[in-house]
Amino acid sequence: GAGVSQSPSNKVTEKGKDVELRCDPISGHTALYWYRQSLGQGLEFLIYFQGNSAPDKSGLPSDRFSAERTGGSVSTLTIQRTQQEDSAVYLCASSLFGPYGYTFGSGTRLTVV
Amino acid sequence: QQQVKQSPQSLIVQKGGISIINCAYENTAFDYFPWYQQFPGKGPALLIAIRPDVSEKKEGRFTISFNKSAKQFSLHIMDSQPGDSATYFCAASMVGGSGTYKYIFGTGTRLKVLA
Repeated sequence: GAGVSQSPSNKVTEKGKDVELRCDPISGHTALYWYRQSLGQGLEFLIYFQGNSAPDKSGLPSDRFSAERTGGSVSTLTIQRTQQEDSAVYLCASSLFGPYGYTFGSGTRLTVV
Repeated sequence: QQQVKQSPQSLIVQKGGISIINCAYENTAFDYFPWYQQFPGKGPALLIAIRPDVSEKKEGRFTISFNKSAKQFSLHIMDSQPGDSATYFCAASMVGGSGTYKYIFGTGTRLKVLA
């Protein structure tokens, strides 16, 4: 696609429920990143996928968070048993290679009530 | 040591003025320093970036100044316009686990340019 596409754009969920957030990267981009942006905060790295290599999960805040990337393209971030502190904007980015010029999607705003 | 400190938190500038946002880092392993611009409801968009082997980079009205010895870098927006009103993030890139090119972001500066 022309840009990084994320869905849904907004998600309201009840505390304790599971949610899935989807990211479609730019076609041909081998690197895919998830970041979290909390109100008034910077962007916090969550997880990185590069081609068929093992993902770097070092930024995932707890074992309630997981992500997968199927076929080297679409990625899904899953948050189990959501808590109120999970409320944030979840941003996906992709790049052709390396750190140069990430392209971000518009994000999914998650609200846990 | 992984932090990137950004200031000010917010900035109000008159149209035509110069906007200056500063960032500082600790880890000398950082080797790529991008600036991102974010409008409400949108994802951040790459504005300009610099490598540590140069002291300045200019693209149109936007200039990055880089001071390697002080471990500081700044964004200058010349002739600021109301359309520049947005949140600006500095970042630093380092190679992490599994060769991750992850960014460490500053906390952002909310810029408002008055018409």
